[in-house]
Amino acid sequence: NAGVTQTPKFRILKIGQSMTLQCAQDMNHNYMYWYRQDPGMGLKLIYYSVGAGITDKGEVPNGYNVSRSTTEDFPLRLELAAPSQTSVYFCASKAGLSTDTQYFGPGTRLTVL
Amino acid sequence: GENVEQHPSTLSVQEGDSAVIKCTYSDSASNYFPWYKQELGKRPQLIIDIRSNVGEKKDQRIAVTLNKTAKHFSLHITETQPEDSAVYFCAASSGGQNFVFGPGTRLSVLP
Repeated sequence: NAGVTQTPKFRILKIGQSMTLQCAQDMNHNYMYWYRQDPGMGLKLIYYSVGAGITDKGEVPNGYNVSRSTTEDFPLRLELAAPSQTSVYFCASKAGLSTDTQYFGPGTRLTVL
Repeated sequence: GENVEQHPSTLSVQEGDSAVIKCTYSDSASNYFPWYKQELGKRPQLIIDIRSNVGEKKDQRIAVTLNKTAKHFSLHITETQPEDSAVYFCAASSGGQNFVFGPGTRLSVLP
């Protein structure tokens, strides 16, 4: 199993540009999450999904959108990039409600100039 | 909502000494408390976790204690080694989607 994978690893955007951060997992996990980690800070939950077709907002959803058309994939969309979105983005997954362990992807480092 | 505080923000110890990091949480419904280690430029890695029906858990040099009444839990690392140097995050969850992370502790183990 590859676990949780993310692409790209690095990206530089100009203000106002759009992009999609990709996340996939091959563990058949129902729960998937998107976090952002600003320099020297902890992780903040952006969006999460409890299964295909179901998504919900986390603590810091403004400026982002997600979709979950399959169990495996959970892309994060930035529509109008702003410097405040400069961060490292981590995707994570866990099996289900009765299990607790989250598995993290390697992260995407995004810079908005 | 849940709020997790973590102290200290930085910690330096001599190799071989013990390190203790403490977290407090606000939501009495939280029942799962993981600890993650994050090395520079890497993803967070789960190192130990504890559930609310357990007071203490140990895995070799790492232990976690939980005081539900006081709403705090602590990470204890004994016989520290240089490879223990990293940022450590605690988190609290009441199940499902709700994971709230502390701000992190940067641990430096000095040779």
